[in-house]
Amino acid sequence: EDQVTQSPEALRLQEGESSSLNCSYTVSGLRGLFWYRQDPGKGPEFLFTLYSAGEEKEKERLKATLTKKESFLHITAPKPEDSATYLCAVQASDTGNQFYFGTGTSLTVIP
Amino acid sequence: DTEVTQTPKHLVMGMTNKKSLKCEQHMGHRAMYWYKQKAKKPPELMFVYSYEKLSINESVPSRFSPECPNSSLLNLHLHALQPEDSALYLCASSPSGSHYSNQPQHFGDGTRLSIL
Repeated sequence: EDQVTQSPEALRLQEGESSSLNCSYTVSGLRGLFWYRQDPGKGPEFLFTLYSAGEEKEKERLKATLTKKESFLHITAPKPEDSATYLCAVQASDTGNQFYFGTGTSLTVIP
Repeated sequence: DTEVTQTPKHLVMGMTNKKSLKCEQHMGHRAMYWYKQKAKKPPELMFVYSYEKLSINESVPSRFSPECPNSSLLNLHLHALQPEDSALYLCASSPSGSHYSNQPQHFGDGTRLSIL
């Protein structure tokens, strides 16, 4: 069973059409949940860290939230430059305190 | 621009060659990582160095040999690789070398490796 699952696998949005990406996890002893953005041919770029249920972080058009079993990355009024793959990673006692990445959501924003 | 610098950006090598990948960070971070990422897959952890000592080896074949000469530099020596080793190799660093640190990792842009 996958410990970290991201959905949807791919998402196409019109510019300005808000939506949410999901990262659900089954690990125990969560120590942190991390969101990254990855552009083609580049390394993951750090966006947010969430440590406990109820926590929220915001940056420009992105807002990340965390519950006990999942995290959402809300994208408000996206622009074409938001197109990328969004990865979440969990760090937990179950994962030996190392990062375990989900398979990502590929976001395309159409002008 | 990323603060973790990886060279070369691209590398093509034969199965009998020996080559090295290099990673540098000048943020004073005390933990450094090597990941392997295949196309449309998430990064997979290979090695972790904490305070310049190898702390985790995720059962990586011996044809991959990591080295941490100092706190800013991380190398990955390659020898007798197989075609299935073709991938993007990512280096990352994080501030604390503690095994229990929960700080974010910062990634370089990787080396795209192709094995002929």
